Amino acid sequence: KNEVEQSPQNLTAQEGEFITINCSYSVGISALHWLQQHPGGGIVSLFMLSSGKKKHGRLIATINIQEKHSSLHITASHPRDSAVYICAAANTGNQFYFGTGTSLTVIP
Amino acid sequence: EAGVVQSPRYKIIEKKQPVAFWCNPISGHNTLYWYLQNLGQGPELLIRYENEEAVDDSQLPKDRFSAERLKGVDSTLKIQPAELGDSAVYLCASSLRETGELFFGEGSRLTVL
Repeated sequence: KNEVEQSPQNLTAQEGEFITINCSYSVGISALHWLQQHPGGGIVSLFMLSSGKKKHGRLIATINIQEKHSSLHITASHPRDSAVYICAAANTGNQFYFGTGTSLTVIP
Repeated sequence: EAGVVQSPRYKIIEKKQPVAFWCNPISGHNTLYWYLQNLGQGPELLIRYENEEAVDDSQLPKDRFSAERLKGVDSTLKIQPAELGDSAVYLCASSLRETGELFFGEGSRLTVL
């Protein structure tokens, strides 16, 4: 049983498309993290949120605590957005539960 | 400010050989994590430190893996002897308990032949 489930596992989009990646979790959390990993690269933190919505540039993250669900949206997608996006749930004890990631490919 | 630093970036060894990975977390971060990541998978926790104390090592295969964080700053993860199935990326991450934001190093990619 996975504490964090992501969908879809793989996603291919045309440049300019609006993209949504979904994350559901079953544990109690203090925060929900969205992470990005480019091929062969390290993992970088995109968002950490515990309620509502956050926006950085073309990226938007939302969370619904009652439904235990979060989404990552990318507006006007670009080939450089091609990466693996990982959802991670953090509890108050500093434990992290990771999804298996969504592999995004944006085609020019 | 420097991020989480790991070395080596790449290591190729033959099975049954020992290997060690080093991690220097962000200055002031009291929580340090070692994760294992296989291709196409999310990170899997090996061990978590709060300062110098290992507070979660339940997933660390203690027959061959060991870790230390003697002064509560940098940390070493060792595998002895390595097996073919240990080929993976070993990630170190750190966080400040008060903020909770997680920072990863670039990872150490291990190939066991």
